[in-house]
Amino acid sequence: RKEVEQDPGPFNVPEGATVAFNCTYSNSASQSFFWYRQDCRKEPKLLMSVYSSGNEDGRFTAQLNRASQYISLLIRDSKLSDSATYLCVVNMLGAAGNKLTFGGGTRVLVKP
Amino acid sequence: DTGVSQDPRHKITKRGQNVTFRCDPISEHNRLYWYRQTLGQGPEFLTYFQNEAQLEKSRLLSDRFSAERPKGSFSTLEIQRTEQGDSAMYLCASSPVPGQGSSYGYTFGSGTRLTVV
Repeated sequence: RKEVEQDPGPFNVPEGATVAFNCTYSNSASQSFFWYRQDCRKEPKLLMSVYSSGNEDGRFTAQLNRASQYISLLIRDSKLSDSATYLCVVNMLGAAGNKLTFGGGTRVLVKP
Repeated sequence: DTGVSQDPRHKITKRGQNVTFRCDPISEHNRLYWYRQTLGQGPEFLTYFQNEAQLEKSRLLSDRFSAERPKGSFSTLEIQRTEQGDSAMYLCASSPVPGQGSSYGYTFGSGTRLTVV
């Protein structure tokens, strides 16, 4: 089983609609969580951190469910520019420190 | 430029040749990471450094792969006797050392795309 699993999609989303997707992680000791965005043939870029109480950044809302070990990302009022692959990322802090483990990504296509 | 720089951006090599990639992290960042990404997959961890010390290596890093960060600044990743399966995007990232109970996201470079023919 992969440490971080995501539905690869694609999620085809009409412009202006809301889309949400999850990822699950296997290591209950994971302590930090992030969503990264990756455009085609570009490097991943940090979209937002995910906090236990849930957090928003503009049109983006992230939630964490530690009991069920999943993280979600919701995008409201989707824009064409939101088309990208969204990578779920977890980190288990410890002696080895800040090593991030990435999911395979969820592809989102926003269409007019 | 205050970002993470990688060189070269693209590399095409014949099977069996050696290749070396360079990464220049953000200057204030003590930690430097190498990841590999193939099409349709997320980045896979290869190794990381804190200053000049290589603290962890993935099982993915066969003995044909070696990474160095001799002065705690830039890093190199060398692949010896390249194989077609080594074709991938090699990503470098850097971060500060996390404080107690915290974690930072990484800043990635643009990557080096390796094609082994």
